[in-house]
Amino acid sequence: GEDVEQSLFLSVREGDSSVINCTYTDSSSTYLYWYKQEPGAGLQLLTYIFSNMDMKQDQRLTVLLNKKDKHLSLRIADTQTGDSAIYFCAGQGNTGKLIFGQGTTLQVKP
Amino acid sequence: ETGVTQTPRHLVMGMTNKKSLKCEQHLGHNAMYWYKQSAKKPLELMFVYNFKEQTENNSVPSRFSPECPNSSHLFLHLHTLQPEDSALYLCASSQENSGSTGELFFGEGSRLTVL
Repeated sequence: GEDVEQSLFLSVREGDSSVINCTYTDSSSTYLYWYKQEPGAGLQLLTYIFSNMDMKQDQRLTVLLNKKDKHLSLRIADTQTGDSAIYFCAGQGNTGKLIFGQGTTLQVKP
Repeated sequence: ETGVTQTPRHLVMGMTNKKSLKCEQHLGHNAMYWYKQSAKKPLELMFVYNFKEQTENNSVPSRFSPECPNSSHLFLHLHTLQPEDSALYLCASSQENSGSTGELFFGEGSRLTVL
C-alpha cells in the first residue's frame, strides 16, 4: 500500500523560508495534499497539487512535485510565528483514500 | 453550525466503560471517516462510510464499533478499551464523486484517555 514519509521536525527563524519535504510510494495518486494542524485542532487543507503539475503557487506557499523521484515539498515564504504547526503530506492510496505521513512539526523562532 | 463538529472534545474512561464519540457534518458530503492520531505516528484510517455504507475497516479491533445512521452523522462506540487506545480521534467528511479533489474536511477531534 501507499507509504508517505516526512521528517519529524523543522526549526526556522521568523522571516526565513521553510521547506518541508515528503516522499511517497504510490504513483497513482491523482492529487497530493498538504494539511496543517494547529495545537488542539483538526487538520485543515492548505493546498493540493494535481499529479500532472510540477509546481503550484498560492500566496506564500509553493508546492513542488517531482513525480520521477516521488517527492513533494512545501515551501513557506516569509515564515511567521503563526505558521508554527504540524504539517501533513498526504497521497491517495490505491483505494482513493488519503494516506498521511507522520507530520512535520514546524517551529518558528522570533 | 458549519463544517464538521465532534463531541466530546475530551473523554477520560476506564477500561470497563462504554462510551461513544459523535461526529456531525453540515457540508452535505456523502462520505465520512474515522482516523486515529497517536503521537509520532501517521494518521491511521479506521473506518470509511460512503452513502451510510461502511466501505472500509482497516483491521480495527472490535472494541471500536462505528455507526452511521445517516450521511450527516457518524458515531464511534467504545467498549473495553486499552490504555494504548488513548489518542486523538478525528472525524472527517468528503464529497466522493467523479471530478472531486478528494479533499477531506476534519473536525477538531476527540481526545481520548483510557485509564
